[in-house]
Amino acid sequence: SQKIEQNSEALNIQEGKTATLTCNYTNYSPAYLQWYRQDPGRGPVFLLLIRENEKEKRKERLKVTFDTTLKQSLFHITASQPADSATYLCASYNQGGKLIFGQGTELSVKP
Amino acid sequence: DTGVSQDPRHKITKRGQNVTFRCDPISEHNRLYWYRQTLGQGPEFLTYFQNEAQLEKSRLLSDRFSAERPKGSFSTLEIQRTEQGDSAMYLCASSLAEGRAFFGQGTRLTVV
Repeated sequence: SQKIEQNSEALNIQEGKTATLTCNYTNYSPAYLQWYRQDPGRGPVFLLLIRENEKEKRKERLKVTFDTTLKQSLFHITASQPADSATYLCASYNQGGKLIFGQGTELSVKP
Repeated sequence: DTGVSQDPRHKITKRGQNVTFRCDPISEHNRLYWYRQTLGQGPEFLTYFQNEAQLEKSRLLSDRFSAERPKGSFSTLEIQRTEQGDSAMYLCASSLAEGRAFFGQGTRLTVV
Protein backbone atom coordinates (compact mmCIF):
# COMPACT_ATOMS: atom_id res chain seq x y z
CA SER A 1 0.00 0.00 0.00
CA GLN A 2 1.06 3.61 -0.51
CA LYS A 3 2.58 4.89 2.70
CA ILE A 4 4.39 7.79 4.30
CA GLU A 5 6.70 7.01 7.18
CA GLN A 6 8.35 9.34 9.63
CA ASN A 7 10.66 8.62 12.51
CA SER A 8 8.20 8.32 15.36
CA GLU A 9 10.87 8.75 18.03
CA ALA A 10 10.83 12.19 19.59
CA LEU A 11 13.69 14.48 18.62
CA ASN A 12 15.28 16.48 21.43
CA ILE A 13 17.73 19.23 20.55
CA GLN A 14 19.35 22.26 22.13
CA GLU A 15 18.25 25.77 21.25
CA GLY A 16 20.24 27.22 18.36
CA LYS A 17 20.97 23.84 16.76
CA THR A 18 19.52 22.55 13.49
CA ALA A 19 16.70 20.02 13.68
CA THR A 20 16.44 17.51 10.83
CA LEU A 21 13.31 15.42 10.35
CA THR A 22 12.91 12.59 7.85
CA CYS A 23 9.96 11.52 5.69
CA ASN A 24 10.02 8.42 3.48
CA TYR A 25 7.35 7.33 1.04
CA THR A 26 6.75 3.86 -0.41
CA ASN A 27 4.89 2.28 -3.32
CA TYR A 28 4.12 5.51 -5.18
CA SER A 29 5.73 8.65 -6.55
CA PRO A 30 4.10 11.83 -5.27
CA ALA A 31 4.26 14.92 -7.44
CA TYR A 32 4.86 16.95 -4.30
CA LEU A 33 5.19 16.63 -0.55
CA GLN A 34 3.77 18.87 2.13
CA TRP A 35 4.92 19.58 5.67
CA TYR A 36 2.60 20.60 8.50
CA ARG A 37 3.08 21.66 12.10
CA GLN A 38 0.73 20.47 14.84
CA ASP A 39 0.55 21.83 18.37
CA PRO A 40 -1.12 19.79 21.15
CA GLY A 41 -4.90 19.82 20.92
CA ARG A 42 -4.93 21.75 17.63
CA GLY A 43 -5.32 20.88 13.97
CA PRO A 44 -2.25 20.71 11.71
CA VAL A 45 -1.09 23.93 10.03
CA PHE A 46 0.53 23.96 6.58
CA LEU A 47 4.18 25.04 6.43
CA LEU A 48 5.77 24.20 3.10
CA LEU A 49 5.24 22.33 -0.14
CA ILE A 50 8.02 20.95 -2.36
CA ARG A 51 7.52 19.57 -5.87
CA GLU A 52 9.35 16.57 -7.28
CA ASN A 53 11.35 18.76 -9.67
CA GLU A 54 12.52 21.02 -6.83
CA LYS A 55 15.52 19.69 -4.99
CA GLU A 56 15.30 22.22 -2.18
CA LYS A 57 12.94 24.88 -0.89
CA ARG A 58 13.44 27.49 1.85
CA LYS A 59 11.18 29.66 3.94
CA GLU A 60 12.81 31.75 6.64
CA ARG A 61 14.51 29.22 8.99
CA LEU A 62 12.87 26.23 7.29
CA LYS A 63 14.42 24.15 4.53
CA VAL A 64 12.91 21.14 2.79
CA THR A 65 14.59 18.77 0.35
CA PHE A 66 13.06 16.15 -1.95
CA ASP A 67 15.13 13.20 -3.19
CA THR A 68 13.12 11.07 -5.64
CA THR A 69 15.91 8.49 -5.84
CA LEU A 70 15.90 7.86 -2.11
CA LYS A 71 12.10 8.44 -1.95
CA GLN A 72 12.73 10.81 0.90
CA SER A 73 12.17 14.36 2.07
CA LEU A 74 14.19 16.07 4.78
CA PHE A 75 12.83 18.97 6.82
CA HIS A 76 15.32 21.25 8.54
CA ILE A 77 14.79 23.98 11.12
CA THR A 78 17.91 26.09 11.55
CA ALA A 79 18.69 28.18 14.64
CA SER A 80 15.94 26.29 16.46
CA GLN A 81 13.96 27.97 19.25
CA PRO A 82 11.82 26.55 22.07
CA ALA A 83 8.78 27.93 20.19
CA ASP A 84 9.57 25.44 17.40
CA SER A 85 8.63 22.59 19.75
CA ALA A 86 5.70 20.78 18.14
CA THR A 87 4.86 17.70 16.08
CA TYR A 88 5.80 17.92 12.41
CA LEU A 89 3.84 15.95 9.84
CA CYS A 90 4.74 14.97 6.30
CA ALA A 91 1.87 14.49 3.84
CA SER A 92 1.09 13.94 0.19
CA TYR A 93 -1.73 13.03 -2.16
CA ASN A 94 -1.51 9.39 -3.15
CA GLN A 95 -2.41 8.06 -6.55
CA GLY A 96 -6.02 7.66 -5.46
CA GLY A 97 -6.22 11.39 -4.77
CA LYS A 98 -6.51 11.25 -1.00
CA LEU A 99 -4.24 13.21 1.31
CA ILE A 100 -2.26 10.84 3.54
CA PHE A 101 -0.02 11.66 6.49
CA GLY A 102 2.95 10.15 8.22
CA GLN A 103 2.77 9.46 11.94
CA GLY A 104 4.61 12.69 12.75
CA THR A 105 7.82 13.46 14.61
CA GLU A 106 7.66 15.31 17.92
CA LEU A 107 10.36 17.95 18.22
CA SER A 108 11.41 19.36 21.58
CA VAL A 109 13.83 22.31 21.64
CA LYS A 110 15.42 22.90 25.04
CA PRO A 111 16.64 26.37 26.06
CA ASP B 1 -11.79 33.39 4.67
CA THR B 2 -13.16 32.37 8.05
CA GLY B 3 -11.23 29.09 8.12
CA VAL B 4 -12.52 25.60 8.75
CA SER B 5 -14.78 25.27 11.77
CA GLN B 6 -15.83 22.14 13.62
CA ASP B 7 -18.59 21.66 16.12
CA PRO B 8 -18.60 20.63 18.89
CA ARG B 9 -15.03 21.02 20.14
CA HIS B 10 -15.55 18.37 22.79
CA LYS B 11 -18.05 15.56 23.15
CA ILE B 12 -18.45 13.08 25.99
CA THR B 13 -20.88 10.27 25.34
CA LYS B 14 -21.86 6.98 26.85
CA ARG B 15 -20.97 3.76 25.08
CA GLY B 16 -23.70 2.73 22.70
CA GLN B 17 -24.94 6.25 21.97
CA ASN B 18 -24.84 7.88 18.53
CA VAL B 19 -22.88 11.08 17.94
CA THR B 20 -22.75 13.52 15.06
CA PHE B 21 -20.04 16.06 14.29
CA ARG B 22 -20.24 18.97 11.91
CA CYS B 23 -17.58 20.57 9.73
CA ASP B 24 -17.89 23.85 7.83
CA PRO B 25 -15.10 24.10 5.25
CA ILE B 26 -13.68 27.18 3.57
CA SER B 27 -16.47 28.18 1.21
CA GLU B 28 -14.64 27.96 -2.12
CA HIS B 29 -12.94 24.64 -1.33
CA ASN B 30 -14.30 21.68 -3.28
CA ARG B 31 -12.57 18.96 -1.24
CA LEU B 32 -13.37 17.99 2.33
CA TYR B 33 -11.59 15.34 4.40
CA TRP B 34 -12.25 13.61 7.70
CA TYR B 35 -9.44 12.16 9.80
CA ARG B 36 -9.18 10.45 13.18
CA GLN B 37 -6.15 11.04 15.38
CA THR B 38 -5.07 9.35 18.59
CA LEU B 39 -2.24 10.40 20.88
CA GLY B 40 1.19 10.08 19.30
CA GLN B 41 -0.17 9.17 15.86
CA GLY B 42 -0.61 11.10 12.66
CA PRO B 43 -4.05 11.84 11.20
CA GLU B 44 -5.65 8.62 9.99
CA PHE B 45 -7.71 9.01 6.82
CA LEU B 46 -11.42 8.25 7.20
CA THR B 47 -13.12 9.62 4.10
CA TYR B 48 -13.15 12.49 1.64
CA PHE B 49 -15.53 14.36 -0.63
CA GLN B 50 -15.17 16.26 -3.82
CA ASN B 51 -18.13 18.62 -3.82
CA GLU B 52 -21.04 16.42 -2.70
CA ALA B 53 -19.58 13.12 -3.93
CA GLN B 54 -17.94 10.84 -1.38
CA LEU B 55 -14.92 9.55 -3.32
CA GLU B 56 -13.37 7.17 -0.83
CA LYS B 57 -14.02 5.68 2.56
CA SER B 58 -11.33 3.96 4.56
CA ARG B 59 -11.64 0.19 4.73
CA LEU B 60 -10.63 0.50 8.35
CA LEU B 61 -13.99 2.04 9.11
CA SER B 62 -16.83 -0.10 10.21
CA ASP B 63 -20.38 0.43 9.02
CA ARG B 64 -21.01 2.40 12.22
CA PHE B 65 -19.36 5.41 10.60
CA SER B 66 -21.09 7.48 7.96
CA ALA B 67 -20.42 10.88 6.46
CA GLU B 68 -22.41 13.21 4.28
CA ARG B 69 -21.80 16.45 2.48
CA PRO B 70 -25.15 17.63 1.15
CA LYS B 71 -24.96 20.25 -1.59
CA GLY B 72 -21.17 20.21 -1.37
CA SER B 73 -21.08 22.60 1.55
CA PHE B 74 -20.83 21.55 5.21
CA SER B 75 -20.28 17.92 6.18
CA THR B 76 -21.41 15.69 9.02
CA LEU B 77 -19.73 12.60 10.45
CA GLU B 78 -21.94 10.24 12.41
CA ILE B 79 -20.79 7.40 14.61
CA GLN B 80 -23.48 4.95 15.65
CA ARG B 81 -23.34 2.72 18.73
CA THR B 82 -20.12 4.30 19.97
CA GLU B 83 -17.43 2.13 21.52
CA GLN B 84 -14.58 3.10 23.83
CA GLY B 85 -12.15 2.56 20.96
CA ASP B 86 -13.82 5.43 19.11
CA SER B 87 -12.37 7.90 21.61
CA ALA B 88 -10.07 10.16 19.57
CA MET B 89 -9.70 13.58 17.99
CA TYR B 90 -11.75 13.87 14.78
CA LEU B 91 -10.26 16.36 12.35
CA CYS B 92 -11.84 17.95 9.31
CA ALA B 93 -9.87 19.65 6.54
CA SER B 94 -10.70 21.29 3.24
CA SER B 95 -8.70 22.12 0.13
CA LEU B 96 -9.00 23.44 -3.37
CA ALA B 97 -8.42 20.35 -5.52
CA GLU B 98 -5.09 18.76 -4.48
CA GLY B 99 -3.72 21.83 -2.80
CA ARG B 100 -2.69 22.62 0.73
CA ALA B 101 -5.18 21.48 3.33
CA PHE B 102 -6.69 23.75 5.95
CA PHE B 103 -7.71 22.03 9.16
CA GLY B 104 -10.30 22.80 11.77
CA GLN B 105 -9.54 22.65 15.48
CA GLY B 106 -10.97 19.18 15.75
CA THR B 107 -13.66 17.50 17.85
CA ARG B 108 -12.38 15.51 20.80
CA LEU B 109 -14.63 12.53 21.46
CA THR B 110 -14.56 10.66 24.76
CA VAL B 111 -16.66 7.51 25.06
CA VAL B 112 -17.27 6.45 28.67
